Parts: sequence; C-alpha cells; structure tokens
Amino acid sequence: DAKTTQPNSMESNEEEPVHLPCNHSTISGTDYIHWYRQLPSQGPEYVIHGLTSNVNNRMASLAIAEDRKSSTLILHRATLRDAAVYYCIPGLGNTPLVFGKGTRLSVIA
Amino acid sequence: SQTIHQWPATLVQPVGSPLSLECTVEGTSNPNLYWYRQAAGRGLQLLFYSVGIGQISSEVPQNLSASRPQDRQFILSSKKLLLSDSGFYLCAWSEGVGETQYFGPGTRLLVL
Repeated sequence: DAKTTQPNSMESNEEEPVHLPCNHSTISGTDYIHWYRQLPSQGPEYVIHGLTSNVNNRMASLAIAEDRKSSTLILHRATLRDAAVYYCIPGLGNTPLVFGKGTRLSVIA
Repeated sequence: SQTIHQWPATLVQPVGSPLSLECTVEGTSNPNLYWYRQAAGRGLQLLFYSVGIGQISSEVPQNLSASRPQDRQFILSSKKLLLSDSGFYLCAWSEGVGETQYFGPGTRLLVL
C-alpha cells in the first residue's frame, strides 16, 4: 500500500492562499492522488484528484510533483468555511480508498 | 444527479441491543458501497464494502455485519451492541472500487 505523510495541523489567515503538502513516496505509476476534506460534524467530501498533470477545479488546485512522490493541495483564498481535516489518499486501483489522519487546517479571521 | 441517504441521523442505544443502519443511493446503478466508522476524535475506519448485491467484504473483524439486499441498499447491523460501537457511521458510494467516493450525512450512534 502506498503510505502518505501529511502535517498533523496547519494554520492560515483568512483570504490568504494555503498550500497543504502530502508525501506519497511509494505510490505506484497507476495510482491517482485523491484529496478529500471533512468539515466538522460531517462526512468527508471530495475535493480533487489527479494522476500526473496539475489539476484545477472550483474548490482547489492540485500540484503533482514530476516524480509523483508528493503533491500539494492549494486553496487560493482560504475562508473560515475551509477549516477542516484534509486527507491525501493514493488510489490503489481495485481496493477501497484508505483514509489516514489528514491535516487539520485552522483558518484565522 | 446521484444522492445518498442515511438514517437515522442520530441514535442512542443501550449496550446489548441490536442495531440496524440503512443507506440508500439514488441516481446510479450497481454502485460500490462502503461503511466507515469514525470514533470520537479519530480517523475513518473502513468496516465493509460491497461491489454488488450479496457481495460483502469485511475489513475489520468485530460484532458488526453488513448486507446488500438490493442494488442500491446497504445495511449495517449488530445483534448486540458494545460500548465501543459508539461513533459516527458513514456510508459512501463510488462508481468503481478505488474511484472517487461520495459520502452520506452519517449516523451518530451512542451506546450507553
């Protein structure tokens, strides 16, 4: 299984960009990199995923290192509603996604 | 569009009582279905997943069981609840195993 390493917690000021790092040095060539977030008292929600190229959607951007051993989730302007636990999950093809401990993001007004 | 429902939203049960939590998905066919549990202040633990009717894979041995009587229905059960069964139970679905998962609103279970 691909192992991931994320900071336990990070803090950001409101309206500033946030870069959430993830190391996944054992990822295989066919595993997608998924990011989810879990708001307080809610189930996780999908944020973004990618394979090799950087990806953008309305929620965030995903920057994937050329060697695919790490990735960074970018929130362009953090809001108070972005305070959540962010999970980086390599997709293992035909096995369910496994959620680790994630990074708890605090946003300061 | 697809939607996923779970009920009840909250549940308080005595130790030793039975449990039945239901999850249904609308707007898709032959989804992969998942049950997770999150204990207070802890991460998500995958309990069961199903790739089709009657097909259940158990990830963690315990006093819980799962069943999939219909294509878009997933049920989590227990014959006798333990205090340690308290937690936030989440159902999710995906098109394929390992693909993007979409979670329901969850059921908060408190076993007293």
